[in-house]
Amino acid sequence: AQSVTQLDSHVSVSEGTPVLLRCNYSSSYSPSLFWYVQHPNKGLQLLLKYTSAATLVKGINGFEAEFKKSETSFHLTKPSAHMSDAAEYFCVVSDPMDSNYQLIWGAGTKLIIKP
Amino acid sequence: DVKVTQSSRYLVKRTGEKVFLECVQDMDHENMFWYRQDPGLGLRLIYFSYDVKMKEKGDIPEGYSVSREKKERFSLILESASTNQTSMYLCASTEDFDTGELFFGEGSRLTVL
Repeated sequence: AQSVTQLDSHVSVSEGTPVLLRCNYSSSYSPSLFWYVQHPNKGLQLLLKYTSAATLVKGINGFEAEFKKSETSFHLTKPSAHMSDAAEYFCVVSDPMDSNYQLIWGAGTKLIIKP
Repeated sequence: DVKVTQSSRYLVKRTGEKVFLECVQDMDHENMFWYRQDPGLGLRLIYFSYDVKMKEKGDIPEGYSVSREKKERFSLILESASTNQTSMYLCASTEDFDTGELFFGEGSRLTVL
């Protein structure tokens, strides 16, 4: 069975410093993996996705994530945090072999940016 | 720009009332979803629909029903609202299951007193 674990419920960084949001997954097959972002009072938006092409995936707003099969991880990073990055981030796994179509959502990580 | 519109951003209802949450998408997507979002639990799928008049149960369908009479509209119905259904409800649509890219509305925050 698939599962996804976001290792931190909250992450606090200073503006201009690197961001690391951690995600581990469990999947029987080669999964598709996604990061979504939810800004306050806004709808969820796709940040980036991995679908078995390049293991380093670049997304919007300077974020990127690396798929590491050996570590079953898909951590989200950004070199330099900006105040506008303050939001909740969700890691999501999808099993392409699942005929029932299920996206499994992590519990979310709130990113706090300190001035 | 793609658009998923949820008709009500905030609702307050009483226990036992019938509640309708409406969602409309303008992207001609075949697949539409209703999720519930609660702090610390991520998103949980209530129902999804892959075609007009077709629906499938998600992880937590109990206490909910859905209606999809037209391609662009997907409604979530709480037949008799209960306090444990106080939550944020999110509607989404996608053209392609495999890409996993869902387009979301801004959410409907329901409070049941």
